[in-house]
Amino acid sequence: RKEVEQDPGPFNVPEGATVAFNCTYSNSASQSFFWYRQDCRKEPKLLMSVYSSGNEDGRFTAQLNRASQYISLLIRDSKLSDSATYLCVVNIVGYSTLTFGKGTMLLVSP
Amino acid sequence: DAGVTQSPTHLIKTRGQQVTLRCSPKSGHDTVSWYQQALGQGPQFIFQYYEEEERQRGNFPDRFSGHQFPNYSSELNVNALLLGDSALYLCASRFNDEQFFGPGTRLTVL
Repeated sequence: RKEVEQDPGPFNVPEGATVAFNCTYSNSASQSFFWYRQDCRKEPKLLMSVYSSGNEDGRFTAQLNRASQYISLLIRDSKLSDSATYLCVVNIVGYSTLTFGKGTMLLVSP
Repeated sequence: DAGVTQSPTHLIKTRGQQVTLRCSPKSGHDTVSWYQQALGQGPQFIFQYYEEEERQRGNFPDRFSGHQFPNYSSELNVNALLLGDSALYLCASRFNDEQFFGPGTRLTVL
């Protein structure tokens, strides 16, 4: 079983749509959670951290359910510029390294 | 302030050869991690350097080795290259909980 699993994708949505990404992690010692965005042939960049209480940044909302070991990212009112691969990332307690999921590609069309 | 820089940007090698990749972290960042990202996959942790020592290591063979210099810059060396080593190699420097990635070196092994 992979440590971090994500929806396989790709997701094809029209502009203005709401899209949800799902992620599960297997190591209960995971302590920090993130969503990274990666544009084609570029490096990953931090989109947002994910907190237990849930957090929002503009059109983006992240949720964490520690009991289910589940993380989600919701994008509202999708823009063409949201087209990218979204990576679910966890950090295990005692380690400063990151464990990435495979990523889910999002394609937003006009 | 320059971000994380890596060199070279692209590299083509043949099987059995050796390669050295270089990374300069963001100013003031003393911890450097290396990741391998194969096509269609998320980045996988190779190892991390702090105070010129390898502190953590992922599931990579001994053909992968590294070094950190007193100015915090780092090198990744791969010996006896295999076709499967073809990937994007990402360097990341850490400040608090956030890791900042460089643009990567794209290695192709023929």
